[in-house]
Amino acid sequence: DAGVIQSPRHEVTEMGQEVTLRCKPISGHDYLFWYRQTMMRGLELLIYFNNNVPIDDSGMPEDRFSAKMPNASFSTLKIQPSEPRDSAVYFCASSFMGSYGYTFGSGTRLTVV
Amino acid sequence: GESVGLHLPTLSVQEGDNSIINCAYSNSASDYFIWYKQESGKGPQFIIDIRSNMDKRQGQRVTVLLNKTVKHLSLQIAATQPGDSAVYFCAETLSGSARQLTFGSGTQLTVLP
Repeated sequence: DAGVIQSPRHEVTEMGQEVTLRCKPISGHDYLFWYRQTMMRGLELLIYFNNNVPIDDSGMPEDRFSAKMPNASFSTLKIQPSEPRDSAVYFCASSFMGSYGYTFGSGTRLTVV
Repeated sequence: GESVGLHLPTLSVQEGDNSIINCAYSNSASDYFIWYKQESGKGPQFIIDIRSNMDKRQGQRVTVLLNKTVKHLSLQIAATQPGDSAVYFCAETLSGSARQLTFGSGTQLTVLP
């Protein structure tokens, strides 16, 4: 298995632009998580899905953030409009029921200028 | 991955020595704990876990110790190698509840030749 795959690896965008981050979880995993990592706040859970259904989005910072999981093999995190304070590394992780040992992707480093 | 926190604790050890990384967790109700390793440019990687009904668990070159009385977790790495240089995070959760891991701020381990 290729692991959790995220794209793009790096994204630089101008303030106000829409940004879409993508994630392909490990096949067979039924949980998918989106985390954000910054120097100031560390790793923060934004939202997670179980069997493609959003379970808890209380970590999504603002209405500018939205996440979808249209099927078991794909999820997106969208920021519209983006702001400089959204600059961070965004990680996607997946796990199989009964396991807390999440497998993380390599992350997307987002820079909003 | 990015360094986590402006004041990320650091630990420098000589190659071949043993390392001990400490973590104070926040929720006395947490009953499941995980250590993750994050190398530069990568997502966190699962190392070892422990449930609250255990005080100690050993893996390959790693041992996790749990002291519930003082809410303290430690990771011991035997015969530290250059490849062990990374940021190490402890994470806690309440099993059976919402499947959310709460991550600590991390410790930067540097192995000196």
